[in-house]
Amino acid sequence: DAGITQSPRHKVTETGTPVTLRCHQTENHRYMYWYRQDPGHGLRLIHYSYGVKDTDKGEVSDGYSVSRSKTEDFLLTLESATSSQTSVYFCAISDFRGAPYEQYFGPGTRLTVT
Amino acid sequence: DQQVKQNSPSLSVQEGRISILNCDYTNSMFDYFLWYKKYPAEGPTFLISISSIKDKNEDGRFTVFLNKSAKHLSLHIVPSQPGDSAVYFCAAPTVSGSARQLTFGSGTQLTVLP
Repeated sequence: DAGITQSPRHKVTETGTPVTLRCHQTENHRYMYWYRQDPGHGLRLIHYSYGVKDTDKGEVSDGYSVSRSKTEDFLLTLESATSSQTSVYFCAISDFRGAPYEQYFGPGTRLTVT
Repeated sequence: DQQVKQNSPSLSVQEGRISILNCDYTNSMFDYFLWYKKYPAEGPTFLISISSIKDKNEDGRFTVFLNKSAKHLSLHIVPSQPGDSAVYFCAAPTVSGSARQLTFGSGTQLTVLP
């Protein structure tokens, strides 16, 4: 299994509070991703990174920011959490050196915003 | 606009029978397709892929078929086992400059009944 950890694994927070989720990899892969999984929507890309300090927006980036100061760490921040951000968040990594462009996923973080 | 669609949210199959999971896509530029499997409380794991230059790829009990003219792919599981009960996602990669992304369908929950 690819070495990917996510912390925390579970979090309950109140509306309006800031929240930071951490993804840590030991594979030295260039690409890192944050997804959210919601019923009926599958996996939707929030932000991704293609190198240290290089990030870009995904499909559902509003309300989220990311940072990558080291190859191994990718942080997702909810500046002011809302109930619509209650979801399961997955981090993924990839070296994308060739087909089939597989990504490896972490175990997920279940976030509840009350 | 969903570029990758899984129109069946759920499927139930008897143990030992064939499971067929379907996926449609709209972007004719996709040249690879991947299937992921996800158990509850775990991250998705890669299952099988297919290149657009092929119409079939087989790996043990799992076979993926691609019909490019119909922009349709399907995953066949034969014989189905209770341990196959999971959510299955199809996905397609987009490669553009530094961007490397997977676009996922909404998933199909497969239940294999003993």
